[in-house]
Amino acid sequence: DGGITQSPKYLFRKEGQNVTLSCEQNLNHDAMYWYRQDPGQGLRLIYYSQIVNDFQKGDIAEGYSVSREKKESFPLTVTSAQKNPTAFYLCASSRGQIGYTFGSGTRLTVV
Amino acid sequence: DAKTTQPPSMDCAEGRAANLPCNHSTISGNEYVYWYRQIHSQGPQYIIHGLKNNETNEMASLIITEDRKSSTLILPHATLRDTAVYYCIVRLPPGGKLIFGQGTELSVKP
Repeated sequence: DGGITQSPKYLFRKEGQNVTLSCEQNLNHDAMYWYRQDPGQGLRLIYYSQIVNDFQKGDIAEGYSVSREKKESFPLTVTSAQKNPTAFYLCASSRGQIGYTFGSGTRLTVV
Repeated sequence: DAKTTQPPSMDCAEGRAANLPCNHSTISGNEYVYWYRQIHSQGPQYIIHGLKNNETNEMASLIITEDRKSSTLILPHATLRDTAVYYCIVRLPPGGKLIFGQGTELSVKP
């Protein structure tokens, strides 16, 4: 079955460490997105990519980095420059007017 | 991207229709209205989308006013499993990014 997979489901990071969240899709979707969600809040866009080897900053890109070397993959790195990284991270993909498909999310906690 | 305004919360009795309103008064002519819902700690789920005409699928109906400045999502027979946060979003085609607001927290009660 086609879908979008995020891993790991739970991730713990020490302060000052970089961590990378994985997002893979086999839907043949062109566009991919990363969102952050804090408790009781809506989703905020971090980065998005419309095609391979190209990506744009969203509303809260500071402290994050991405790459899009393959159509299927859009990893997100949370760097030590992100001062408040504890959150729920959601990856999504889309093609044309088709609605987004979301992954099940990664919950990142700084310890 | 146009912004949307939704009530923060609503209640609905099980088995009754749930009507969730959304204002998008600054919507432009080629922006679509999308609805998603999110059950706690899961990824949002696509429900329905439309441009001008009313739309219906197996999950819900979408009613868009003639001036396109507002819309209503209708869940015809709400169940307890419909309890979730519902997001109304406007989006530019063909691959415009989705900008989420705060959504409406719908509680379906027995």
